[in-house]
Amino acid sequence: GNSVTQMEGPVTLSEEAFLTINCTYTATGYPSLFWYVQYPGEGLQLLLKATKADDKGSNKGFEATYRKETTSFHLEKGSVQVSDSAVYFCALSRNSGYSTLTFGKGTMLLVSP
Amino acid sequence: EPEVTQTPSHQVTQMGQEVILRCVPISNHLYFYWYRQILGQKVEFLVSFYNNEISEKSEIFDDQFSVERPDGSNFTLKIRSTKLEDSAMYFCALGIAGFNEQFFGPGTRLTVL
Repeated sequence: GNSVTQMEGPVTLSEEAFLTINCTYTATGYPSLFWYVQYPGEGLQLLLKATKADDKGSNKGFEATYRKETTSFHLEKGSVQVSDSAVYFCALSRNSGYSTLTFGKGTMLLVSP
Repeated sequence: EPEVTQTPSHQVTQMGQEVILRCVPISNHLYFYWYRQILGQKVEFLVSFYNNEISEKSEIFDDQFSVERPDGSNFTLKIRSTKLEDSAMYFCALGIAGFNEQFFGPGTRLTVL
């Protein structure tokens, strides 16, 4: 079956540091890949996505590249801000129109001034 | 981006009681999903609903759970006889035709005592 593995958190960084959150997946076929973010007390928001190999998703300074050869979709940001403190979830769906999402366990990011 | 509201934001109930969680999409969508997140754990798929019937469900979604769209607008999740282990955040999500993205509501925190 499908599964997503994320690095354990919390990840603690100082403002303006470089961020990497690792995500690898197991899936049959060609899944779509997503990063969702959950700010304290809020629901899940789509951060970025990629639907095929070598696609790069980007949003708000965050980037992730769909690497089929390593089955990875690592999240990166060049310079984090305190406001980026949240829980980040990597997820995949089968690449058919209305398939369910399979999530990783989430990685908490804490950014200090 | 479609808006999704969920009510109530927090529900406290006694074990064995029935609860109904509601999801109200602002615009018309065909595809609905319920996920749950037990505190500190990953987001888990419960059920998907398309064209007024269940299209897929997980092993978590047993006979105690049911979903319906009673008035063509609200999308509800009913738990017939709650258990302590049902305590979780429940998220409704909407699917847009032709895309793999899902848009999540803010969630309902269910506490079973």
